[in-house]
Amino acid sequence: DTGVSQNPRHKITKRGQNVTFRCDPISEHNRLYWYRQTLGQGPEFLTYFQNEAQLEKSRLLSDRFSAERPKGSFSTLEIQRTEQGDSAMYLCASSLVSSLSYEQYFGPGTRLTVT
Amino acid sequence: GDSVTQMEGPVTLSEEAFLTINCTYTATGYPSLFWYVQYPGEGLQLLLKATKADDKGSNKGFEATYRKETTSFHLEKGSVQVSDSAVYFCAKGGGGSYIPTFGRGTSLIVHP
Repeated sequence: DTGVSQNPRHKITKRGQNVTFRCDPISEHNRLYWYRQTLGQGPEFLTYFQNEAQLEKSRLLSDRFSAERPKGSFSTLEIQRTEQGDSAMYLCASSLVSSLSYEQYFGPGTRLTVT
Repeated sequence: GDSVTQMEGPVTLSEEAFLTINCTYTATGYPSLFWYVQYPGEGLQLLLKATKADDKGSNKGFEATYRKETTSFHLEKGSVQVSDSAVYFCAKGGGGSYIPTFGRGTSLIVHP
């Protein structure tokens, strides 16, 4: 396994369109996280899954955002009716529940530009 | 609430200089502490970690010691290289929460 992968790497869309991103975690990792990162900031937590269950969502997460992890493997993040303020890097990370250190492994990110 | 505070950047150094990037945290429990590095256009990579007080994490010449008494986890390297130029993030995880908290990042620029 080569690590966490994300697709697409870049997405340019017009305001009002819907976009969907995919994350494939490290295969044995059962926890999966989504973050948003804007320039000059650290990753901002959006939501996380343990296996297929979505256990927590950020209070900052608009109802235009939805995430799924239907079989406990890959995950998708959808943004409906995109706005210019949604332009950011969207990062996915995975980790192992049994890891006592809570370290995470990140994918390369999907950069979204809303015009 | 819990937080992670890093020194503001950019930090600009000449090659072979000594590096310190300060990081302090607040937490109600006993978190694990991490340093991640991010190169331009890429995701974050775990650089080093420490899981309990007085632990020292080290990797690629970087070190950080978990100081519970000062709630700090400062990153150090004795001799930086141009290839170390990147953004460094301090983070904490665990300690009663499965949601990690990241600092805002410190940009390091190393000149030849």
